[in-house]
Amino acid sequence: AQSVTQLDSQVPVFEEAPVELRCNYSSSVSVYLFWYVQYPNQGLQLLLKYLSGSTLVKGINGFEAEFNKSQTSFHLRKPSVHISDTAEYFCAVSPFGNEKLTFGTGTRLTIIP
Amino acid sequence: NAGVTQTPKFQVLKTGQSMTLQCAQDMNHEYMSWYRQDPGMGLRLIHYSVGAGITDQGEVPNGYNVSRSTTEDFPLRLLSAAPSQTSVYFCASSYRTGGTEAFFGQGTRLTVV
Repeated sequence: AQSVTQLDSQVPVFEEAPVELRCNYSSSVSVYLFWYVQYPNQGLQLLLKYLSGSTLVKGINGFEAEFNKSQTSFHLRKPSVHISDTAEYFCAVSPFGNEKLTFGTGTRLTIIP
Repeated sequence: NAGVTQTPKFQVLKTGQSMTLQCAQDMNHEYMSWYRQDPGMGLRLIHYSVGAGITDQGEVPNGYNVSRSTTEDFPLRLLSAAPSQTSVYFCASSYRTGGTEAFFGQGTRLTVV
């Protein structure tokens, strides 16, 4: 079984400041890693994913994430946030060869003007 | 291309009533799933299907039924609604290839009184 931990339920950040949203996972098998974003009153959409290869992956809207196998982490970063980044961010994993996603509890990112 | 369409968007039920949440996708995805989203708990998998005629239980299946008679449709049935089923429900679909992007509907906000 897999589990995903997002320790920060809420993160307030000033506009144009950098942000890091933390994600740690636990799994007895190899996994794929994902970050999804949910804007207010909408469904989730994919930000980025790590399948294999380079541990630094770039996604949409200037976000990037780094896979660290030894620390079982997949933290999401953005060097300069905008008001439009206000949303809830979910980290998720799925085992190799399986489509089932296990989600973390989410981090609500609030941008302060 | 409509993607994943969920209906209705909002619903209020009385305890004991039954209803069906509809989900349809037009991307010819084999894999479809239902999640519920509750504050502080992220998304939890209710049921999933890997193709027409094949369904299986997820993490929180009690009180819900599903069927998959066609590739496109994956309805979720609440048999006898309870206040504990008050939640936001999301349907998602994807290809069966591991690590593929999941596409989500806009959600159904259900209140059971």
